[in-house]
Amino acid sequence: QVQLVQSGSELKKPGASVKVSCKASGYTFTSYAMNWVRQAPGQGLEWMGWINTNTGNPTYAQGFTGRFVFSLDTSVSTAYLQISSLKAEDTAVYYCARAPSTPMVRGLFGYWGQGTLVTVSS
Amino acid sequence: EIVLTQSPGTLSLSPGERATLSCRASQSVSSSYLAWYQQKPGQAPRLLIYGASSRATGIPDRFSGSGSGTDFTLTISRLEPEDFAVYYCQQYGSSPPAFGGGTKVEIK
Repeated sequence: QVQLVQSGSELKKPGASVKVSCKASGYTFTSYAMNWVRQAPGQGLEWMGWINTNTGNPTYAQGFTGRFVFSLDTSVSTAYLQISSLKAEDTAVYYCARAPSTPMVRGLFGYWGQGTLVTVSS
Repeated sequence: EIVLTQSPGTLSLSPGERATLSCRASQSVSSSYLAWYQQKPGQAPRLLIYGASSRATGIPDRFSGSGSGTDFTLTISRLEPEDFAVYYCQQYGSSPPAFGGGTKVEIK
């Protein structure tokens, strides 16, 4: 069965960096793009962008350029989200997500990781 | 960029009642590429409906979606205790994909 398992919660100080991992299993990793979605405390869902798991080419949504980097290690079927120069407003749960098997439509999210809480506080 | 507005913000209902949730888009959603998700506290969202009206795998038939263009509806025919949650609509017909602000369905 398809699983996306994310790394654990992080507590970071302002200005630090964090790297969140999302390990995929149960399918061919390079067959589906990986998306990242942010949810600030008590708030809604915000699409951050996606990474082409074949080419490694990332696409970032507006507001997620510069400090946010998507990357891959296809040898271990894992996607990464790195955030640098952390600010208090980066405090949120970050999810990785991919399309369902049917329909296989980019931008539709049928499988989600369990989420990683990143807390930025001095 | 398409903006989705959900209403009401909160819906207070009793188990067994019918829930009707609305999602309005700022412009027409291409190919009715409109989805609905359910999210419970501390959990990731779960896909319920895609293509405006198709249920995702394993979703009970008390959940139904309808609509086209700019106006979409999620209906839960008879609320079960496990249905009390937050519901988000999302368009995926054009980039960037966008979510609505959510509707909380709470127990009255």
